[in-house]
Amino acid sequence: SQQGEEDPQALSIQEGENATMNCSYKTSINNLQWYRQNSGRGLVHLILIRSNEREKHSGRLRVTLDTSKKSSSLLITASRAADTASYFCATGTASKLTFGTGTRLQVTL
Amino acid sequence: EAQVTQNPRYLITVTGKKLTVTCSQNMNHEYMSWYRQDPGLGLRQIYYSMNVEVTDKGDVPEGYKVSRKEKRNFPLILESPSPNQTSLYFCASSLDRGWETQYFGPGTRLLVL
Repeated sequence: SQQGEEDPQALSIQEGENATMNCSYKTSINNLQWYRQNSGRGLVHLILIRSNEREKHSGRLRVTLDTSKKSSSLLITASRAADTASYFCATGTASKLTFGTGTRLQVTL
Repeated sequence: EAQVTQNPRYLITVTGKKLTVTCSQNMNHEYMSWYRQDPGLGLRQIYYSMNVEVTDKGDVPEGYKVSRKEKRNFPLILESPSPNQTSLYFCASSLDRGWETQYFGPGTRLLVL
């Protein structure tokens, strides 16, 4: 089934550095979303980018979408320890939203 | 406060004993979904509903049932749980524009012995 695949699976950086996560998918989409999950808790919606958009910003988050390559990236700038979490991309079509397997981000002091 | 609630949060049961996990949202959302999360597999959709009395299968519906008699509630029913249904379950709801900005419940951790 259509699914986003995040890369890398795990990422460890120091506080203040930027973190970049990538997502690739297989078929046409209406939108692509990024969610954050703190350990064992519910997912929290971060940002949505539509298929006709190429870049979007929200605070320290920057998302890009390249529909020709079927890929997206999430950049978190000036990371903080509180950004430690798992990040999931999700591809949206008219009928469903499909999640990837996630990137685990560890931000150390 | 806008929220999605699930109960129970933790459940240990035995094979074959029917159980229900409740889900309720107070945002008047039309779309609701159930997901299970397993290590290395991400979130997989079990069932979803686009309105009252309208439900459909997701990617992994086997062994589960749902109902949507009221807009706010979307219970997940395991008629005869098996150990392979041990998982972390999430309910989510979203606005009537469809699969955008889903709001997730806190999760239900289920162990089937």
